[in-house]
Amino acid sequence: AQSVTQPDIHITVSEGASLELRCNYSYGATPYLFWYVQSPGQGLQLLLKYFSGDTLVQGIKGFEAEFKRSQSSFNLRKPSVHWSDAAEYFCAVGNNAGNMLTFGGGTRLMVKP
Amino acid sequence: EPEVTQTPSHQVTQMGQEVILRCVPISNHLYFYWYRQILGQKVEFLVSFYNNEISEKSEIFDDQFSVERPDGSNFTLKIRSTKLEDSAMYFCASSEPPAGPFYGYTFGSGTRLTVV
Repeated sequence: AQSVTQPDIHITVSEGASLELRCNYSYGATPYLFWYVQSPGQGLQLLLKYFSGDTLVQGIKGFEAEFKRSQSSFNLRKPSVHWSDAAEYFCAVGNNAGNMLTFGGGTRLMVKP
Repeated sequence: EPEVTQTPSHQVTQMGQEVILRCVPISNHLYFYWYRQILGQKVEFLVSFYNNEISEKSEIFDDQFSVERPDGSNFTLKIRSTKLEDSAMYFCASSEPPAGPFYGYTFGSGTRLTVV
């Protein structure tokens, strides 16, 4: 069965600092990997996804993620965080059938001025 | 940009009552899904639906849940006899897998269901 672990429940960074959110997955085949962002009371917005090819993926809002098969990781990064990035971030892995996502528990990001 | 539309945005219901959550998927999509998120917890898959039948469901999706595509545009989730623990945000999603895995996978903005 597929699973996703986000080890950090809460992270606080200063505005302008760099950010890395960790994600580890468990899946028997080549994974389909996603990062979503959710602002309070809102829906899920796709930041980026990895299916194959270049292991460094660029997304919206200046985010990127790197797929590392040897570490079963798909960490999300941003070089300089803005106050508007404060939200909850979810990593997800998709099944081979291309129809079901399994989400991690989420990381809540707080940004200090 | 095409959107998945969910109505209502908030719904309050009494324990034991039936509730129907409604979704309008993106018009050319063929796969439809429901997920739920209990407050403060992770998003959980409930069910996927294709060609007028359930293609996959989780352990959460028990006999009190059902899904239906009553016409060419709507996709509904029915909870027959709501319990307090059904209080959650319910997300609908749709996609077009024949064009590729997770092709166009899009979530709606959710319906917050509160059971009192």
